Amino acid sequence: AQSVTQPDIHITVSEGASLELRCNYSYGATPYLFWYVQSPGQGLQLLLKYFSGDTLVQGIKGFEAEFKRSQSSFNLRKPSVHWSDAAEYFCALARDQFYFGTGTSLTVIP
Amino acid sequence: GAGVSQSPRYKVAKRGQDVALRCDPISGHVSLFWYQQALGQGPEFLTYFQNEAQLDKSGLPSDRFFAERPEGSVSTLKIQRTQQEDSAVYLCASSLALGQGPADTQYFGPGTRLTVL
Repeated sequence: AQSVTQPDIHITVSEGASLELRCNYSYGATPYLFWYVQSPGQGLQLLLKYFSGDTLVQGIKGFEAEFKRSQSSFNLRKPSVHWSDAAEYFCALARDQFYFGTGTSLTVIP
Repeated sequence: GAGVSQSPRYKVAKRGQDVALRCDPISGHVSLFWYQQALGQGPEFLTYFQNEAQLDKSGLPSDRFFAERPEGSVSTLKIQRTQQEDSAVYLCASSLALGQGPADTQYFGPGTRLTVL
């Protein structure tokens, strides 16, 4: 069973516009959730993580994510996108192992 | 400080050849993970070490895949008799292992892109 689902394969936004990347998870207990970003030729960089506590998590580069148990979601947001944010974004869930979603490719147009 | 490094960055192999991929984790990191990332997909777990002990190898796709970390630092992923379906990016990650198991924050290397012809 797929543990993490990223419904959007590709998203295009204009520079300066807001961004929301969707992530849904499947897990009975309180999940450990992560968002990573992968630029071409680069390794995965951790943006933010949720373990417990405050459901709104702040990360690096101006990103935030909100954990919603009722919706089994952990969506990533940014109020104003920069051209340098163009990359592949992965949501991940930690159980016995790390389970990654299939990723969302972000294109930023001027 | 130095991050996770992997070598080679690119490897082209003929089908049937053996390959060895190296990972140098962040100094002091106890846990080390290997992932396989096929084109257009997210990384998939292969195996996990804590120090020199291989605690989980459930993700290795076949017995042609073998990983080791003999001294608890550098790790090598070996693929014997490579097949075309082995073509992928192989990612290594390390973590401090603060007692949170797989939930420990993992730091990833740039990966090795393997192409099997």
